[in-house]
Order: sequence, then structure tokens, then C-alpha cells
Amino acid sequence: QQQVKQSPQSLIVQKGGISIINCAYENTAFDYFPWYQQFPGKGPALLIAIRPDVSEKKEGRFTISFNKSAKQFSLHIMDSQPGDSATYFCAAERTGGFKTIFGAGTRLFVKA
Amino acid sequence: GAGVSQSPSNKVTEKGKDVELRCDPISGHTALYWYRQSLGQGLEFLIYFQGNSAPDKSGLPSDRFSAERTGGSVSTLTIQRTQQEDSAVYLCASSSGFRDRGAQVGELFFGEGSRLTVL
Repeated sequence: QQQVKQSPQSLIVQKGGISIINCAYENTAFDYFPWYQQFPGKGPALLIAIRPDVSEKKEGRFTISFNKSAKQFSLHIMDSQPGDSATYFCAAERTGGFKTIFGAGTRLFVKA
Repeated sequence: GAGVSQSPSNKVTEKGKDVELRCDPISGHTALYWYRQSLGQGLEFLIYFQGNSAPDKSGLPSDRFSAERTGGSVSTLTIQRTQQEDSAVYLCASSSGFRDRGAQVGELFFGEGSRLTVL
């Protein structure tokens, strides 16, 4: 019940295309859903996050879509660029000092 | 510095030796995590410290692994009798441990990791 399932494991997208990464969770107590971006040789860094009281959050080319009833959320990268090539992790948290739960990660490669 | 600092950045050791990896979290952060990341793989949770609560050790892969956090700040991950399968990047992250509506206060800040190679 603590797991966050992420797909796909890897993704290749043409420059200018849309990258979509999906995550699903079971525990309805989760109340915060961040996405982290990791470049080779670096630690992950927060990219964008959403709370379950909204269905969508957009920051520049990055959008999180959230479906509370389906317990799913996804990251959309519009106009994907080679510089977006990285590993993306979805995560889920719950208030009260509980640890953050990460998905398995998606390796994105954007072809120039 | 302002970020999470990890040392050493690289460590090469022989099988059977003990190693210690250090993490200096951001000042004032009450939450601290250790993760292990093998080449091209995801984040394997190891241990979680939150304030004065008992640490969540549920991710430690064997009793060769241990971690402590002294004074609620610096943390040390110790691997005893290292094995070749312990080779990986060990990442530390810290967080303020609290979230406020509209604020990313609970954001995890990661260090750049300690790359461990066991020969």
C-alpha cells in the first residue's frame, strides 16, 4: 500500500514532442505528490509538485495532471528538448513526518 | 555551504573492509534520508531520520549496514565487511520535515552522492 508505481521505465521522444510519465498509488492518505529530476552525476532535484485538491498544475513546459479517483498522476513535458534528458522520479508523501515514497524512475531521452 | 554536503565523493575499497560515508544536511533540517542508487537504477531507500523519533531502518539491506545521526545534524552511514554488490552511489537528502499549504517546505534536498566501489 506504500508503493508508488511508475511507468514507463524508459522513454525516447523526438525534440518538440510531448513526454508523458505516469504514476499510480494506493494509499489515500498521501497528500503531496512531487516530481524530481535527476541529471547524470547529480542528486535528484524537485521539479514540480501538486496537492490532491487540484487536478492540474503547470510550470512552464511541465504539467502535472492528477486524478484523485483513479489514484493516478502524470508528468507532461511539452515541447521536449534534449536538455530535458534525465531520469524523472515521481513521489508521494503524507503529512505527519512520514517518509517520502519514490517511484522507480523513468529515463527520458530526447532526440535532437 | 547552503546545500547538502556528502563525503567522500568517491571511495574505492577492498572487499571486506569497513567504510564510513558522511552527510552534512542543510542547517535546521530535521529530516534526513539515505538512499542507494546503482548504475542506471532507481532510488533504493535505506534509512530515514526525523527529529527525535526512532529512525526508520526498514530499508537497510543487511546487518552490515548501519547509520547514526549525531545531535540531529550530521549523519554517518557505515558499511561493514563490504561486498562487491555494495558498489553504488549513496545519496543523502534532508528536508525541513514540514509542509505548508502553497510552500514547498517539505522539499527533499539531495547531495551529489558518495560513489562507492568495492574491488
